[in-house]
Order: sequence, then C-alpha cells, then structure tokens
Amino acid sequence: GQQVMQIPQYQHVQEGEDFTTYCNSSTTLSNIQWYKQRPGGHPVFLIQLVKSGEVKKQKRLTFQFGEAKKNSSLHITATQTTDVGTYFCARNVGTYKYIFGTGTRLKVLA
Amino acid sequence: DADVTQTPRNRITKTGKRIMLECSQTKGHDRMYWYRQDPGLGLRLIYYSFDVKDINKGEISDGYSVSRQAQAKFSLSLESAIPNQTALYFCATSRFDEQFFGPGTRLTVL
Repeated sequence: GQQVMQIPQYQHVQEGEDFTTYCNSSTTLSNIQWYKQRPGGHPVFLIQLVKSGEVKKQKRLTFQFGEAKKNSSLHITATQTTDVGTYFCARNVGTYKYIFGTGTRLKVLA
Repeated sequence: DADVTQTPRNRITKTGKRIMLECSQTKGHDRMYWYRQDPGLGLRLIYYSFDVKDINKGEISDGYSVSRQAQAKFSLSLESAIPNQTALYFCATSRFDEQFFGPGTRLTVL
C-alpha cells in the first residue's frame, strides 16, 4: 500500500560518528522528500529526489534515491549536536499529496 | 517561520467538547494541509485543500472536519473531542511540492 517504512526508529550516536536513516517502500516511488524536525519544532523541508539513482549533497548530508526508486537514504557525516531531531521521509501519493514515514529520531551525545 | 501561524498553540479540553484549530498563512499558497503527529506514528494527513472550493479527505479524517474560509485560512474542527485525539496538530502550505509547516497546536483531550 502507501505505507513508508523508515528505519531505525531511534539512533543514538557519539558526536563525530556517522548516521544513516533509510526509507523503504514496497512499490515504486515517483519521488521522495526528506524533512527535519528539531525537538519542540516543526518539520522543515530538506530536499526532494526524483530520478532513479539520484544522489544529492547538502554539506554533511547525503541523500540517495535507489535505482529501483523503492528506497531512499539520508546519511550524515560526522554528526554534530545541531543534527539532533527527527528525520522524516515523505512519499508522493498524488498531485502535491504526500504520506510521511514514521521518522527516525537522532540523538547526538557530546 | 511566521508565514504560517496556528492558533491556539496549546489547548486542553474535555471529552465531548467542540474544538476549532485555526491556520493562517501569508505565503500566498493555494494548497493547505492538516496533519496530526503522534509518537512513533509520524505525521498523518487529516484533510487537504488545493483551493478555496476544494476539500479532500486524508488518511485519518474520521472525527474531524475542515473549512477553507479563504485562500489564507484553513480551520480544523473536532465536533466532539475524544481522548485519542490528543496529539500535536500541524498545518502546512505548499505552492508546489515543498511543504511549509506552522508551529503546531498541542491538543489534550481529557
């Protein structure tokens, strides 16, 4: 169905370690978005991926869309305390309509 | 981002009461959305509207209704609140695919 599985649900890392969250779908995705929500805040758009195999970078963040367009990942290199928050993927299920994943909550230990 | 505002920011109410959550935006976007967020469940779409005369049900519309009074205003109502509607509610807007979220309303139903 339209469910988007996101793993892991929680991740604790030491500051400076890398972090990856994955979004998996049983069906082909037309595109996928990633959002970040800081503790106590609201989701903020990070990026949208559209093409098969697409890789985009934003400083220490690397976003990838699978070749089969059924999965996506967000990788953070050398985490910092400012990376703390919950990361959501969102799949397109119609024109300008998205279903969000369950999120991965990242905690960075200084 | 003060472009999308929500009132009230916090509300405690009792079972059976009628509650209205309001959302206003100054972004000039046609598309507006209501989501609820529960721990471990991510963001779930309640209703969305692509213009003033367009209202659509989302994943979890039962127990909720909406009104799009103007391009800039989109209200969510709980006709008879129940405890399992206790959640964090977000309004969002979009021009294209990127969604801009309001600060959220934390609703507690006793």
